[in-house]
Amino acid sequence: GAVVSQHPSWVICKSGTSVKIECRSLDFQATTMFWYRQFPKQSLMLMATSNEGSKATYEQGVEKDKFLINHASLTLSTLTVTSAHPEDSSFYICSATQTSGSKNIQYFGAGTRLSVL
Amino acid sequence: AQSVTQLDSHVSVSEGTPVLLRCNYSSSYSPSLFWYVQHPNKGLQLLLKYTSAATLVKGINGFEAEFKKSETSFHLTKPSAHMSDAAEYFCVVSDTIYNFNKFYFGSGTKLNVKP
Repeated sequence: GAVVSQHPSWVICKSGTSVKIECRSLDFQATTMFWYRQFPKQSLMLMATSNEGSKATYEQGVEKDKFLINHASLTLSTLTVTSAHPEDSSFYICSATQTSGSKNIQYFGAGTRLSVL
Repeated sequence: AQSVTQLDSHVSVSEGTPVLLRCNYSSSYSPSLFWYVQHPNKGLQLLLKYTSAATLVKGINGFEAEFKKSETSFHLTKPSAHMSDAAEYFCVVSDTIYNFNKFYFGSGTKLNVKP
């Protein structure tokens, strides 16, 4: 149980284009979803926290107009990297917490590797 | 403020020998502490968690961790390493704010297991 699916697992795009990453909770309803960014050989950095039906809360230094987050349902959150540039190339990971049960455990997706040319 | 320090960026052990991955935390509140494992190109998998119950926590795959408040430590151990344990391990402290938990990650420890 508590499986989080992330799609796509790898995406290559041209500079200036936008890329959408999906995060789905497959067998549970997710009150809250989190988006992280992981640079090579580094730890995860929280980008934003989103609750279903409300605006995401962004961490300091994260551009909300560049990283658009939508959490339209209890099982789906999307991250759109707008006007991507090479410096946006990174590994993006989402996680989700359940609406019931162990609410303080985050279940992670497998991540999306974004390469911007 | 919450923070986590993983003292070793790389640990190398031989198969069948004990594993010790060190973690120290700083927390303004009673923390929840977690260990996650990340295999290459995979998501993070929860190994174990501490949430103010028993101080010795047993997790999956034979791992366990002991919460020591006096030392602000939460070291991860396993009596006998297996080749499949080779991965990156993250120690995490969480803080309950508003209605959800915010995770603070350590920098990670890469475990290498030699045959």
